[in-house]
Formats: sequence, C-alpha cells, structure tokens
Amino acid sequence: DAGITQSPRYKITETGRQVTLMCHQTWSHSYMFWYRQDLGHGLRLIYYSAAADITDKGEVPDGYVVSRSKTENFPLTLESATRSQTSVYFCASSRTGAPDEQFFGPGTRLTVL
Amino acid sequence: AQSVSQHNHHVILSEAASLELGCNYSYGGTVNLFWYVQYPGQHLQLLLKYFSGDPLVKGIKGFEAEFIKSKFSFNLRKPSVQWSDTAEYFCAVNTPYGGATNKLIFGTGTLLAVQP
Repeated sequence: DAGITQSPRYKITETGRQVTLMCHQTWSHSYMFWYRQDLGHGLRLIYYSAAADITDKGEVPDGYVVSRSKTENFPLTLESATRSQTSVYFCASSRTGAPDEQFFGPGTRLTVL
Repeated sequence: AQSVSQHNHHVILSEAASLELGCNYSYGGTVNLFWYVQYPGQHLQLLLKYFSGDPLVKGIKGFEAEFIKSKFSFNLRKPSVQWSDTAEYFCAVNTPYGGATNKLIFGTGTLLAVQP
C-alpha cells in the first residue's frame, strides 16, 4: 500500500525557472491538497482539488499552477520560481469533502536560489 | 477570517513530565478539530480529532484533547511524555468556507523537545 508519494523529495532550482512537484496517491481519494510549510506560518493551503478536472485556490495560490487530469495525480507547478517560494511542500488527500482526516505525503523540500 | 492560534511555539520538557499544548480558534460556528504530529523528518500524522459528542477525545500514543466550546479551545494533553514524543504538533480546524468543507486551517505549530 504505497499511499501518497511525492517527488522529488529535494529540489534546488534558480530564480525564474519552472519547477513541477509531483504528488501521487493510490487510495482513489477524491480530494487532494497542496500545502506549504514555513517557519512561523505552519501549513498554508495553496490549492486543492475536489475531483479530476476540478481545482480551486487556497490561501496562498499566487505563483502556482495545478492540474488534475487523473484522480491519482495532482502536480504543482511553479511557473517562474522566486526565492519566497523556498519552502517545504506537502501534498495531502482525503476520501471526501466532508470533514475528514487528511493523509499527508512525505513532503518536498524546495530551495530557490 | 478563521484562524488558529498555538501560543506555545517551543516547549522543552523532561521525560515523565505532563504536557499541555494550547490551541484556540476564531470561528464561531460548527467546527471540526484536529491535532497532527510531525516527527523529525517525517510527514504529518493524525493524533486525534473531534467532530461531535464527548468533548474529551482520546487519540493515539496516550494523547488526549478537550474541546471547550465556550473558550474556543482544543488543548492537547499527555500525562507523561517520552523522549519519542519529540516532534512538532499542529492544531487544525476544519470549517465550511469556499464551498469545500474539508479545508484545514493550521496553527503555526509547537515544537516539543523531550529531554531524556
């Protein structure tokens, strides 16, 4: 049971480059989420998706793009990376949109130089 | 806007000491409350959750939390901590906003260090 996986686990890139972080879940959960974790801010929601082809903005969406062509995948793209996007990114999923536990991936540590 | 406050940013305890981590939220309606834990180098895991019913909730590894509606609080407790409890603890609130009900708002986290 692979659960929820993220790749890469670590990434260093330069300002202005495009970066895509991958998230894959094997549970067929409807909902998927992207968070960023920064010191002093906890986790903040970037984007979420209720199902394939349905996405919506969270608290801090600027500078990010998501897509969800398949239920199991939810990639997050930084179209032109900035230093302020240096962070740890967590993907999560849940079975339903009702109040429910979210299951988190191992995270991707992204450094933008 | 809804918010979650964790007042203790960094807590250091000795093994066997009792633990209480504070969590307050700002939403006045129906809430669902969670405590997640992040062990060093690992992903977030659910410790416990409160949806309704008995306001004293028991979770894994001997943790419990009490929902006090009048105080907008959901404090986490453990009678006797162990070195293995060293981790970061996040309180989270789920409120129905933006059309999708399963969006979590997290507190800033409390880093707990337990000294052997």
